[in-house]
Amino acid sequence: AQRVTQPEKLLSVFKGAPVELKCNYSYSGSPELFWYVQYSRQRLQLLLRHISRESIKGFTADLNKGETSFHLKKPFAQEEDSAMYYCALTLRIQGAQKLVFGQGTRLTINP
Amino acid sequence: DAEITQSPRHKITETGRQVTLACHQTWNHNNMFWYRQDLGHGLRLIHYSYGVHDTNKGEVSDGYSVSRSNTEDLPLTLESAASSQTSVYFCASSEGHLQETQYFGPGTRLLVL
Repeated sequence: AQRVTQPEKLLSVFKGAPVELKCNYSYSGSPELFWYVQYSRQRLQLLLRHISRESIKGFTADLNKGETSFHLKKPFAQEEDSAMYYCALTLRIQGAQKLVFGQGTRLTINP
Repeated sequence: DAEITQSPRHKITETGRQVTLACHQTWNHNNMFWYRQDLGHGLRLIHYSYGVHDTNKGEVSDGYSVSRSNTEDLPLTLESAASSQTSVYFCASSEGHLQETQYFGPGTRLLVL
């Protein structure tokens, strides 16, 4: 079955420290993965997608098919990075998209 | 500017009552989705639609229904509200292609007493 696992519900790091939010997936097909973020009192929004190989707000994520992982990383955390982060996997249904989300990780950056 | 809105933003109701949550998008997106967000469960898909008159069940569809009579709206109805349906509900839409971003509404916080 298709599944996305984020093993850490809560993650707390100090400002300036590196941060890594873990995401593992289970999918028999070719995975297409996203990270979504929800800042306090804001709506959920796309942070980055693996196919773009981009860096957004200093965050990067590399798809590792051998380890079935898509961990989100940032070398130097900032206080404004505090938010809820969701990893998501795309399923292809009838040629269209459906997302399966992980349980989410609440990241807190301490000053 | 195009956007996706939800109403009401907050709702308190009693068990057994029928409740309808509205979702409206002005992007002319084909795909629309309803999720619920609960601690420890993340976001779970309730129902989704790939176009007018198309509706599909998600992983937690029991007790919920949707209808898609036009492109812009996908109302979510709780037929007989239960306390287990206390949650935050998010509507989302996407254009309809793979790798498309889903755009989320602001959410509706529902409390069932």
